[in-house]
Amino acid sequence: AQSVTQLDSQVPVFEEAPVELRCNYSSSVSVYLFWYVQYPNQGLQLLLKYLSGSTLVKGINGFEAEFNKSQTSFHLRKPSVHISDTAEYFCAVIPIAGGTSYGKLTFGQGTILTVHP
Amino acid sequence: EAGVVQSPRYKIIEKKQPVAFWCNPISGHNTLYWYRQNLGQGPELLIRYENEEAVDDSQLPKDRFSAERLKGVDSTLKIQPAELGDSAVYLCASSLGGGDTQYFGPGTRLTVL
Repeated sequence: AQSVTQLDSQVPVFEEAPVELRCNYSSSVSVYLFWYVQYPNQGLQLLLKYLSGSTLVKGINGFEAEFNKSQTSFHLRKPSVHISDTAEYFCAVIPIAGGTSYGKLTFGQGTILTVHP
Repeated sequence: EAGVVQSPRYKIIEKKQPVAFWCNPISGHNTLYWYRQNLGQGPELLIRYENEEAVDDSQLPKDRFSAERLKGVDSTLKIQPAELGDSAVYLCASSLGGGDTQYFGPGTRLTVL
């Protein structure tokens, strides 16, 4: 089974400041990793994903994340945030292949990012 | 390319009433998922379909919840009867295959009074 822990439930930050949203996971098998963003009253939109290769992954809207296998982390970063980045962010993992959990996305509890002017 | 379509977007019902949600996945996506998202939490998988077959329904409360995916395209999730604790957002997602990236619809926000 997999589990995902998002270490901060809320992150307030001022506009144009950098931000990091932290995510740790636990799994007995290899996983793919994802970050999704959810704006108020909307569904989840894929920000970025790590499948293989370079551990630094770039996504939409200027976000990037770094996969650290030894620390089982997948932290999300943005060097300069905008008011429009205010939303809830979810980290998620999925087993790569096989087993009863195949195809099942496991999400963290979410981090609410609030960007202040 | 059209995304995942869900309807209705909002539904308010009284407890013990039935309710149904509809989902149309992205064209060509064989795998369809229903998730439930309680307030302040991440989504949790209820059921996963590969084409017409439900391959993972271990988290679906089968005493009151049912789902179907006729012809391997659209899907319907039903609750009968609804309870107060069923108030949540019900999200549908689809992917090319079981291990591929999942794309989500806007969700149906259910309020049970």
